[in-house]
Amino acid sequence: KAGVTQTPRYLIKTRGQQVTLSCSPISGHRSVSWYQQTPGQGLQFLFEYFSETQRNKGNFPGRFSGRQFSNSRSEMNVSTLELGDSALYLCASSPRGSNTGELFFGEGSRLTVL
Amino acid sequence: ILNVEQSPQSLHVQEGDSTNFTCSFPSSNFYALHWYRWETAKSPEALFVMTLNGDEKKKGRISATLNTKEGYSYLYIKGSQPEDSATYLCAPLNTGFQKLVFGTGTRLLVSP
Repeated sequence: KAGVTQTPRYLIKTRGQQVTLSCSPISGHRSVSWYQQTPGQGLQFLFEYFSETQRNKGNFPGRFSGRQFSNSRSEMNVSTLELGDSALYLCASSPRGSNTGELFFGEGSRLTVL
Repeated sequence: ILNVEQSPQSLHVQEGDSTNFTCSFPSSNFYALHWYRWETAKSPEALFVMTLNGDEKKKGRISATLNTKEGYSYLYIKGSQPEDSATYLCAPLNTGFQKLVFGTGTRLLVSP
């Protein structure tokens, strides 16, 4: 069974640009959550999608957005990039949601903003 | 905001040593506690999901206990091996927030 796949794995952008990250969950998993990790910080929750609906949202500005498609694949978008957005972005899938069992993580997309 | 504290921040032990770390979290509205292991250049991997006060779980040389009334969980590693080197994350879930809140982790380094 394939694991959670995130693309791209690495990317470099400049301030003001926007970026789209993609996450393909494990087959059959309907929930996808996104997390941001910056040095010295724990994993910060961005949002969770379940069956194409945003179920929960973290304390991030509106520049961070996401969506989920009918095949459960998810994308997150960050507009007007700032230097502080440089981070590792992790996505995690689960069969029915993060409040029902363990999360299965991808290897992450490392974003560098110059 | 749910305050999750993990201690120590980092730990360096010798192969064969046993070690333990702590995860502290608010006891009110507790629902579940997750433990994850995150090796460098890999993705976080679930170790345990614990829900009941007094719960004890074990996977090989790693075990965990849970005290929901006082809001803490211990993770134990018996006879540490170099392959145990990783960051260990805990994440409580409570009925108020409805989402996992991760601690900053305990970074373990096991030297041969």
